Amino acid sequence: EAGVTQSPTHLIKTRGQQATLRCSPISGHTSVYWYQQALGLGLQFLLWYDEGEERNRGNFPPRFSGRQFPNYSSELNVNALELEDSALYLCASSLDGTGADYEQYFGPGTRLTVT
Amino acid sequence: SQQGEEDPQALSIQEGENATMNCSYKTSINNLQWYRQNSGRGLVHLILIRSNEREKHSGRLRVTLDTSKKSSSLLITASRAADTASYFCATDSFFSGNTGKLIFGQGTTLQVKP
Repeated sequence: EAGVTQSPTHLIKTRGQQATLRCSPISGHTSVYWYQQALGLGLQFLLWYDEGEERNRGNFPPRFSGRQFPNYSSELNVNALELEDSALYLCASSLDGTGADYEQYFGPGTRLTVT
Repeated sequence: SQQGEEDPQALSIQEGENATMNCSYKTSINNLQWYRQNSGRGLVHLILIRSNEREKHSGRLRVTLDTSKKSSSLLITASRAADTASYFCATDSFFSGNTGKLIFGQGTTLQVKP
């Protein structure tokens, strides 16, 4: 069974541009989560989507947004990129809206570099 | 803010030895999860232990949870060079309801020397 997949593996953007990151959950999982792992800041919760709806978001500005598609895959968009947005972005999935009650399985991540 | 804090920050051992990592957290939880991360890539889920459980095993891994002390430990027995990685504990928050949010510690970097 395939795990969580993310694309692209690496993304290089310049300040002010927009970045789009994609995630496909494990088959049968309906919840998708996004986390940011920036150097020195650790893993920070960004967003939670379930059944196409945003269920929760972390302490990030509105230029971090996303959506979940009917096939449960998800997209994270970061607008007006800033240098400090450089980080590893990790996507995770879990069964049907269980949130943090059950295991969250992570993908390999997308390394975003903003120059 | 970080809920969990791992101790030690770094650990270096010889192959075949046991490795013990500790995690402390601040608020009541429903469950605690341990993850491994190799070379800044994705997280691999190791074990989830619920607040009503005290110990859990998976292969060479043993996790304990002491809710009275708000702490957990991860023991890796008979370590291998392939166990070299960063290990993180992650918790939910009992009082916040189902937010979907895992709160991670800063991690322990384990080096296993051949």
